[in-house]
Amino acid sequence: EPEVTQTPSHQVTQMGQEVILRCVPISNHLYFYWYRQILGQKVEFLVSFYNNEISEKSEIFDDQFSVERPDGSNFTLKIRSTKLEDSAMYFCASSPIGLAKNIQYFGAGTRLSVL
Amino acid sequence: AQSVSQHNHHVILSEAASLELGCNYSYGGTVNLFWYVQYPGQHLQLLLKYFSGDPLVKGIKGFEAEFIKSKFSFNLRKPSVQWSDTAEYFCAVILYNNNDMRFGAGTRLTVKP
Repeated sequence: EPEVTQTPSHQVTQMGQEVILRCVPISNHLYFYWYRQILGQKVEFLVSFYNNEISEKSEIFDDQFSVERPDGSNFTLKIRSTKLEDSAMYFCASSPIGLAKNIQYFGAGTRLSVL
Repeated sequence: AQSVSQHNHHVILSEAASLELGCNYSYGGTVNLFWYVQYPGQHLQLLLKYFSGDPLVKGIKGFEAEFIKSKFSFNLRKPSVQWSDTAEYFCAVILYNNNDMRFGAGTRLTVKP
């Protein structure tokens, strides 16, 4: 069964550093998403991406964040200058077009630890 | 504020017990509803979904959920849980024609053998 894959599984970084979290969505999916889950809190929507542009973003997704689809397979989340409060589990998801658009398939997540 | 509420933070059951996990949402309008499960160390997996039609939906692994529009609820049920059902369960809502999936806080289910 096709899966959404995320790398790395765990990223440790120093405060103020830039990080790039990588995702490979399911190959025939055209909608892509990032979510985060701070330890002990709920999963929160960050951004959705379709047709090479952001379609929706939450208030969490400020200027420190950016997303990119650099090639035909990867979907990345960049945090420019990490803060301690960015420590969280980051989940990538993808969904197909059409009636199944709202069925999102999630990756295993990248745990980001900002020191 | 629009939200998704899961009433139980942690549920502990013995094997063969029946399960019901509550989920309420506060969005008006047409919604798509989901239950996801996250086994320890694994990714979120879709258990079941409701888009329209029969409000009682059946998912994988013997789970089902009932959409009650008047109560803004979408409770998850299973008649007889197994030890392997130990996991975190998340209720989620998408407004129709939206991309912003809102999750509940999750319910941790522990099934004792």
